[in-house]
Amino acid sequence: GESVGLHLPTLSVQEGDNSIINCAYSNSASDYFIWYKQESGKGPQFIIDIRSNMDKRQGQRVTVLLNKTVKHLSLQIAATQPGDSAVYFCAEIIMNTGFQKLVFGTGTRLLVSP
Amino acid sequence: ETGVTQTPRHLVMGMTNKKSLKCEQHLGHNAMYWYKQSAKKPLELMFVYNFKEQTENNSVPSRFSPECPNSSHLFLHLHTLQPEDSALYLCASSQVGGRTNQPQHFGDGTRLSIL
Repeated sequence: GESVGLHLPTLSVQEGDNSIINCAYSNSASDYFIWYKQESGKGPQFIIDIRSNMDKRQGQRVTVLLNKTVKHLSLQIAATQPGDSAVYFCAEIIMNTGFQKLVFGTGTRLLVSP
Repeated sequence: ETGVTQTPRHLVMGMTNKKSLKCEQHLGHNAMYWYKQSAKKPLELMFVYNFKEQTENNSVPSRFSPECPNSSHLFLHLHTLQPEDSALYLCASSQVGGRTNQPQHFGDGTRLSIL
């Protein structure tokens, strides 16, 4: 299900390392951001979200950091596991007259070796 | 199990065929979306339905025709497609309105191949 054929940036890490995946967004009016994980043959799966009035949010083994000054988002995965291997997308949400318009980045492929 | 089910998972069709993709969400959401994920581009929004009304058509060619009979079901009718339409078609749903945003939930997609 991943964007095979796109020149995706790839991050290769060893099992147990911490991973940091970065994303730049374009619209300073975006007020909500989401990280998705997409494994092969599957659709994007929600990982964690953050609202624009926050600069950090933590989940289980994941942390999202938001820097609105430079329009940058990052996803940190602690103690990366082989099951974390996937393509990771950030998405910015623009509310348009009552519906959500997601604008996705091109994604980063995370490869975790045992 | 994401709560969003898409059928079929794979579809191969000729350019003159007519087929439909189906999406069903079991999450009680009020908005549903069609996206296209192709080999050469990021995920692209195609259509949005909010409370069964189409609120967005993102410059999609008329050979793609969406239908939303109720807030739980969404179809994408296909006819006279082109080879460049081969892609993964993803359906998503979300709850909109109220004071906070909620994330969109995606199905696992239909892999479409046009011969």
